[in-house]
Amino acid sequence: QSVLTQPPSVSGAPGQRVTISCTGSSSNIGAGYDVHWYQQLPGTAPKLLIYGNSNRPSGVPDRFSGSKSGTSASLAITGLQAEDEADYYCQSYDSSLSGSGVVFGGGTKLTVL
Amino acid sequence: EVQLVESGGGLVQPGRSLRLSCAASGFTFDDYAMHWVRQAPGKGLEWVSGISWNSGSIGYADSVKGRFTISRDNAKNSLYLQMNSLRAEDTALYYCAKDMSAVGIVGATLDYWGQGTLVTVSS
Repeated sequence: QSVLTQPPSVSGAPGQRVTISCTGSSSNIGAGYDVHWYQQLPGTAPKLLIYGNSNRPSGVPDRFSGSKSGTSASLAITGLQAEDEADYYCQSYDSSLSGSGVVFGGGTKLTVL
Repeated sequence: EVQLVESGGGLVQPGRSLRLSCAASGFTFDDYAMHWVRQAPGKGLEWVSGISWNSGSIGYADSVKGRFTISRDNAKNSLYLQMNSLRAEDTALYYCAKDMSAVGIVGATLDYWGQGTLVTVSS
């Protein structure tokens, strides 16, 4: 089980808006650690999509946005396009009594209907 | 252009060792922390290990602690992962990734990734 929980799948029609949640706890997101999001297109390496909760690297369309509140974070995609069909992962840092390290969510498969 | 090229993967028997390498170019290697992230077939991403710019800060996932060792050679712009006592569950595509910061680990943000090298542990 991943430390960060994401829905296994989401779907939406072209042009629609979808959101992907990333639920953590007081030892990671709730402790103030930043959340980052990655997009992995089929058969390719992951690509940084959102960093520092809500910042987009150069070249990432503004259709993608991120937010964080309490122990959770969300990735929103507006104006859904067929090319957005991919796996999406959230990532943060976890520090607890049992140890610490970089953690990923289990990933969410986005299907464009 | 940032390039990260992994090598050293292959088929290895359980209990044996393997050393992965990552050749970096297109950026000032010793200005940034680096990481290894793996992905088992059909599964999600798992952080394996990270190392700061000067090797002063190193971290490992619990699943590999005591078996894997990360290192870097800034003179050669290279990152390494020495993997010992390999198990079937270590079978995965291993990615080398660049951090946005020099220190990494706590604030790890992986802005560039290689294409990965496949490690298969099987008898």
